[in-house]
Amino acid sequence: QQQVKQSPQSLIVQKGGISIINCAYENTAFDYFPWYQQFPGKGPALLIAIRPDVSEKKEGRFTISFNKSAKQFSLHIMDSQPGDSATYFCAASLYQKVTFGTGTKLQVIP
Amino acid sequence: NAGVMQNPRHLVRRRGQEARLRCSPMKGHSHVYWYRQLPEEGLKFMVYLQKENIIDESGMPKERFSAEFPKEGPSILRIQQVVRGDSAAYFCASSPESTGYTGELFFGEGSRLTVL
Repeated sequence: QQQVKQSPQSLIVQKGGISIINCAYENTAFDYFPWYQQFPGKGPALLIAIRPDVSEKKEGRFTISFNKSAKQFSLHIMDSQPGDSATYFCAASLYQKVTFGTGTKLQVIP
Repeated sequence: NAGVMQNPRHLVRRRGQEARLRCSPMKGHSHVYWYRQLPEEGLKFMVYLQKENIIDESGMPKERFSAEFPKEGPSILRIQQVVRGDSAAYFCASSPESTGYTGELFFGEGSRLTVL
């Protein structure tokens, strides 16, 4: 019940394209859904987050779409850039415990 | 304004030795979390601590692993009698104490343990 499933495992997108990463969860008690970005050799850093009472949140080129009834949420990266190449983790939190998805390795090619 | 500091960044141990990983949270943060990351895998929760208290250790292996966050000094993750399967990156994260918890974790750069 604490699992967060993430897909795809890896993604190659052309510069300027849209990157889409999907996640699903089981536990309806989760109350916060963050996305983290991790560059090689670094720790993850918070990118954008959403609460379950909101269906969409946009920050610059990054958008989270949240479907509470389907227990799914996704990250869209518009106008993807080579500098966006990193591993992205979706997560869900409850009682200050954050459960992470398995990660998506994104490569944006020129 | 220093971030989460972890040391050592790289640690090599032989099977059977002990590994000690240290984490100093961000200033003003009193919650510390340890996660383990294996190659090509996600971040697995290990333990959540506040000063002098273990709040949730449901992700910690029952044997050989222990964690502490003393009143003074850094949090320590201790792995006794290491085995090759313990080779991984261990990340520490911290969060501030607040009534309106946002769920945001601030991560260190990790300690990479290699067991020979």
